[in-house]
Amino acid sequence: GENVEQHPSTLSVQEGDSAVIKCTYSDSASNYFPWYKQELGKRPQLIIDIRSNVGEKKDQRIAVTLNKTAKHFSLHITETQPEDSAVYFCAATSNTGGFKTIFGAGTRLFVKA
Amino acid sequence: DAGITQSPRHKVTETGTPVTLRCHQTENHRYMYWYRQDPGHGLRLIHYSYGVKDTDKGEVSDGYSVSRSKTEDFLLTLESATSSQTSVYFCAIRKDSLTEAFFGQGTRLTVV
Repeated sequence: GENVEQHPSTLSVQEGDSAVIKCTYSDSASNYFPWYKQELGKRPQLIIDIRSNVGEKKDQRIAVTLNKTAKHFSLHITETQPEDSAVYFCAATSNTGGFKTIFGAGTRLFVKA
Repeated sequence: DAGITQSPRHKVTETGTPVTLRCHQTENHRYMYWYRQDPGHGLRLIHYSYGVKDTDKGEVSDGYSVSRSKTEDFLLTLESATSSQTSVYFCAIRKDSLTEAFFGQGTRLTVV
């Protein structure tokens, strides 16, 4: 079945450094790739997304890249801050049927002050 | 809150009992989803709906059923709860395929 793999599962960086999280997907029908941030005890919330007709998107300190040929997409956070500490999830949405969204297992990011 | 409410927020139930979780939205969105969240597994899709009475299975549908008789409500039922179904359950809604999914607050279910 459809699968999204996410790496690393845990990432620790120093404040001000960059953080990179990578995902791969298996469903060729996927055409929408959102990234969610989840703080402890809260619901996941969208931080950035990218559609399959775009290779890169940036929003302030956050950027996402997509390589459809390789079925890879990545999240880049620059100038990390302690408030970036959270669990980050990548996801892939298929453009068939009910547009189901499959999530990666998550990356726990620690930003050390 | 994107007009999405889950109930109950917390529930403790005994093994073998039926349990129903409710997701209610006021956005008139067509697509609704049920996920469970467990440590190390992220968010796993249980069932989803693309319209009234239109539902389909996700990655981990065994032991769960759903119903959607109205646009605004999507019910998740555990016919006979087991300890392996102890989890946090999230409902999500989306307007269409290329927009974000909004999540409810989650329901923490404990099966003892």
